[in-house]
Amino acid sequence: EAQVTQNPRYLITVTGKKLTVTCSQNMNHEYMSWYRQDPGLGLRQIYYSMNVEVTDKGDVPEGYKVSRKEKRNFPLILESPSPNQTSLYFCASWRGDLFTYEQYFGPGTRLTVT
Amino acid sequence: RKEVEQDPGPFNVPEGATVAFNCTYSNSASQSFFWYRQDCRKEPKLLMSVYSSGNEDGRFTAQLNRASQYISLLIRDSKLSDSATYLCVVNGDYKLSFGAGTTVTVRA
Repeated sequence: EAQVTQNPRYLITVTGKKLTVTCSQNMNHEYMSWYRQDPGLGLRQIYYSMNVEVTDKGDVPEGYKVSRKEKRNFPLILESPSPNQTSLYFCASWRGDLFTYEQYFGPGTRLTVT
Repeated sequence: RKEVEQDPGPFNVPEGATVAFNCTYSNSASQSFFWYRQDCRKEPKLLMSVYSSGNEDGRFTAQLNRASQYISLLIRDSKLSDSATYLCVVNGDYKLSFGAGTTVTVRA
């Protein structure tokens, strides 16, 4: 089954404790992206990747890191989480031309930073 | 100004009704337009792409008005299963911009 998986689905953590949210896709898509969704603001792009070892900042990259060492994986790293990073996070992947094709989203990770 | 703006609703409609709503975008260079559906904070899923000439997919019709920079979605013969948040998505400057969504609730 074609899918994007994220782990963990739910995470409660404390300020400053480094964490990683994993994302994996099995569709051999070139492009992957991380978004955060907050009430009233819609999805905002954090980082995206056009292929292995190629990443770029989105609208809200501060406080986040990413890496793309394998085509299928695109982990999101919060080196020192803060309460304003409490949000719903989605990973997405898509093929081909940058934004012409359908984006496939993971099930989301609900992060709470206390 | 937000890149993509939507009326948040909610639109409460009875089964069988027609409901329509718009989305405005600020980047006149945008080339690709989509409507995504999101159920109760689950992952968004593509509902339909929006083409320049307008397009229809069953009970759903999407229109694009480049001159006024808005796209619209019309749902005919609403079903209970149409209850969801509809996200307007527009590309521009090498990224996708998402609206905050319009919530539709269809009641029996």
